[in-house]
Amino acid sequence: EAGVTQFPSHSVIEKGQTVTLRCDPISGHDNLYWYRRVMGKEIKFLLHFVKESKQDESGMPNNRFLAERTGGTYSTLKVQPAELEDSGVYFCASSQERGTPQFFGPGTRLTVL
Amino acid sequence: AQSVTQPDIHITVSEGASLELRCNYSYGATPYLFWYVQSPGQGLQLLLKYFSGDTLVQGIKGFEAEFKRSQSSFNLRKPSVHWSDAAEYFCAVVGGMEYGNKLVFGAGTILRVKS
Repeated sequence: EAGVTQFPSHSVIEKGQTVTLRCDPISGHDNLYWYRRVMGKEIKFLLHFVKESKQDESGMPNNRFLAERTGGTYSTLKVQPAELEDSGVYFCASSQERGTPQFFGPGTRLTVL
Repeated sequence: AQSVTQPDIHITVSEGASLELRCNYSYGATPYLFWYVQSPGQGLQLLLKYFSGDTLVQGIKGFEAEFKRSQSSFNLRKPSVHWSDAAEYFCAVVGGMEYGNKLVFGAGTILRVKS
């Protein structure tokens, strides 16, 4: 069974540019999550999808971040325009249902110069 | 609000020695508890989980953790550390429905193994 995959693994962009991160969850997992780890800080929750619906987006830092989950399959996280403080590692995770473990992807390391 | 404390930022142990990584959580009821590991260049891998029942849970790679309600702790242990265990370890909690299904992580503990 394939795990959670994320693309790209690394992205380096200039301040003000746009970046789109992609996550493919484990097949059959309705729950998809985005987390972020900024350098030196804890891993922080960003948002949670159940199928194509946003269940909880309380962790999204501001309106420069836009997450979508088309047809309840893969998800994208767009940052527009990117700022220096957006640099960090963005993790995606998926789970079958609440209370079941979340399985993480390898992360996307975003560097904003 | 939920919180997780991992008081040790770095720990160094000798190969073959025992290991205990500390984790304390703040939550009114019994949460779901997890330990994840991130090896260099890798993503987060689930080591073990506690939902209910037996308070001593076994995980992969020879790790175990014990849930102690009275101490609000979920410490991770391994009797004999291998050099390949060098990684960063994260304790995490999922609380009740009022907190949604999000994981709240501790700051992580970096484990170094010396030969």
